[in-house]
Order: sequence, then C-alpha cells, then structure tokens
Amino acid sequence: QSALTQPASVSGSPGQSITISCTGTSNDIGNYNVVSWYQQYPGKAPKVIIYEVNERPSGVSNRFSGSKSGNTASLTISGLQAEDEADYYCSSYTKSNILLFGGGTKLTVL
Amino acid sequence: EVKLEESGGGLVQPGRSLRVSCVASGFNFDEYAMHWVRQVPGKGLEWVSGITWNSGNIDYADSVKGRFTISRDNAKNSLYLQMNSLRGEDTALYYCAKDGGSSGWFWLDAWGLGTLVTVSS
Repeated sequence: QSALTQPASVSGSPGQSITISCTGTSNDIGNYNVVSWYQQYPGKAPKVIIYEVNERPSGVSNRFSGSKSGNTASLTISGLQAEDEADYYCSSYTKSNILLFGGGTKLTVL
Repeated sequence: EVKLEESGGGLVQPGRSLRVSCVASGFNFDEYAMHWVRQVPGKGLEWVSGITWNSGNIDYADSVKGRFTISRDNAKNSLYLQMNSLRGEDTALYYCAKDGGSSGWFWLDAWGLGTLVTVSS
C-alpha cells in the first residue's frame, strides 16, 4: 500500500496557474474515477476541494479543477491567490478496497 | 451544519489499548459511510479504516489490520476505533471523516478536528 506520488512542493506567483500531479497505478487511479483532492492549512483539518476526478463541492472556487489521464490525476489552480498557500493531498479508491492518499504537496505562493 | 467531534485520545503505553470515539451531528449519520484517517504532526494523511452505513463493508490499512477495529452505533450517531497492541508508530492525530456516499469509499466531505493519540512509555 504505497502512497500515491505527489511532488513535495510547488510554487507560483499570484495570478499564475499551477498543476499538482498525483501518480498511482492501474490498481487505483488508472481504474477508478474515485479521485479526490484535499486542501489543508497548518493546524486545520483537511477540506475536500475536488471529488470524482473533476467535481467541485458547493462553495469551492472554480479556480480549482481536476483531471485524470491514465494512472495520473492532476489538480490545477488558476489565478493563484495568497490564500491558496496550503498543503494539498490527492486520494484514490483502490482495488484493495482502501483509500490511498498521496504524500502531500506544499504550495507556496511567491 | 455537519459536525464531527472526536474524543478519547491521550497518552498510552506501547502494547496497551485505547478506544477513540466520534459523535456526529447535522446529517443523517445512518446514511453514510464513515472513516478514520490519521496524521503524524508535520506529515501526510494516512487512511486507517472505513465502515459503510450498515457496517456491511469494513476494511483497514495493512498497518493496522488485526490490531484496530472500527464500529458504529447508528442509534447514537457515533463512530468508534478500538486500538489494541498500540505501537509508537501509531502516534498521530486521528480524524473522523464522513464519506460522500453510503456503500463504499468515495470522498471525505466532512472532517472533525481530530484527537491526538500518543504511544510512549
């Protein structure tokens, strides 16, 4: 049950777009559209921002979008804002009937 | 408003047991799957266990299988995690989380604030 692979950190300037990748296998991302993304601020609980690959919960900014190609899912944040600086985690359902998280990506807004 | 409130964390010696609980409000608890997710401070998230609305489907991460037991009491809107044979590597903040669906693992659309479990002699 190895974690999904995410870059440890990404950065961007205000107004730019960034993309965070999440790589799994055919046992998880590649065969299930149960991919979600979570945003976590320091000292706070995570919050879902994308579910089922590209669906946004009510109240989440449309600057957040998700996609999937093969065994890799991606989260794109457009029009980067200072408030987007946080940790981001991907998650996928797996063939083993578990939820697998990525190792997390720290987003820095320059 | 959906609210999840964990309790029961604390300091426990290696090899001992502890039960953490989660009380839910603001939604029909008996219609949704529930999960426990843990996080070592400063580290990433790790899914621990999940249970469907009727307890018909339960599963665990390999790291806790055989030692932890998840259960729920729909009449009390409560979720539990019985943790036996605790190890130092079980030290973490344990979150209770609500699934977006009822019959499997989908996405976690509500989280509690967590309860800290520290395993140390």
